[in-house]
Amino acid sequence: GQNIDQPTEMTATEGAIVQINCTYQTSGFNGLFWYQQHAGEAPTFLSYNVLDGLEEKGRFSSFLSRSKGYSYLLLKELQMKDSASYLCAVRGRQAGTALIFGKGTTLSVSS
Amino acid sequence: ETGVTQSPTHLIKTRGQQVTLRCSSQSGHNTVSWYQQALGQGPQFIFQYYREEENGRGNFPPRFSGLQFPNYSSELNVNALELDDSALYLCASSVDSATNEKLFFGSGTQLSVL
Repeated sequence: GQNIDQPTEMTATEGAIVQINCTYQTSGFNGLFWYQQHAGEAPTFLSYNVLDGLEEKGRFSSFLSRSKGYSYLLLKELQMKDSASYLCAVRGRQAGTALIFGKGTTLSVSS
Repeated sequence: ETGVTQSPTHLIKTRGQQVTLRCSSQSGHNTVSWYQQALGQGPQFIFQYYREEENGRGNFPPRFSGLQFPNYSSELNVNALELDDSALYLCASSVDSATNEKLFFGSGTQLSVL
């Protein structure tokens, strides 16, 4: 079967660092994506990993270990605007660009 | 560059009715996919269209159907609406159907079935 697990909720304070974990079990693997979704808005692309290792993009980094079926999203220097849902998604064996999403992690950043 | 646009933004229907949701893909994109996002859940893949042909489908019944037009815009049709169809319906487009292509999402249509 297909399964993607991530924590439901996390809290952090401004300026801190937070790590959101994601584990997956899918039939086939063609890459892992992280999306950010503010309430009532469209998901927006954050990162893509297909090879093992760390991808860094400004305050956001994403890590992948294919052998462990594991990824994390690291957010540094947290800001209030980072309060959102973070969605982990895997492209499995399904045709084309279909993504299998986790339920999302709601991050609340307080001052 | 125009992003992905969806219409309407909100819709209320009653059980048994039919609904059509519309999506304009981002300029230059030939692939459109549709997702259903229930409250508190991640998006679930419904189907994908590439150059007017359906080329992938998730675990949704046949009463969920779609079309893609020559300008790559798309429609999602749902017949015989059920209460559980209440959700946010997201359309996403990409440059093509390659596996590394990121999806660009519209803001969605919030469908309520009473």
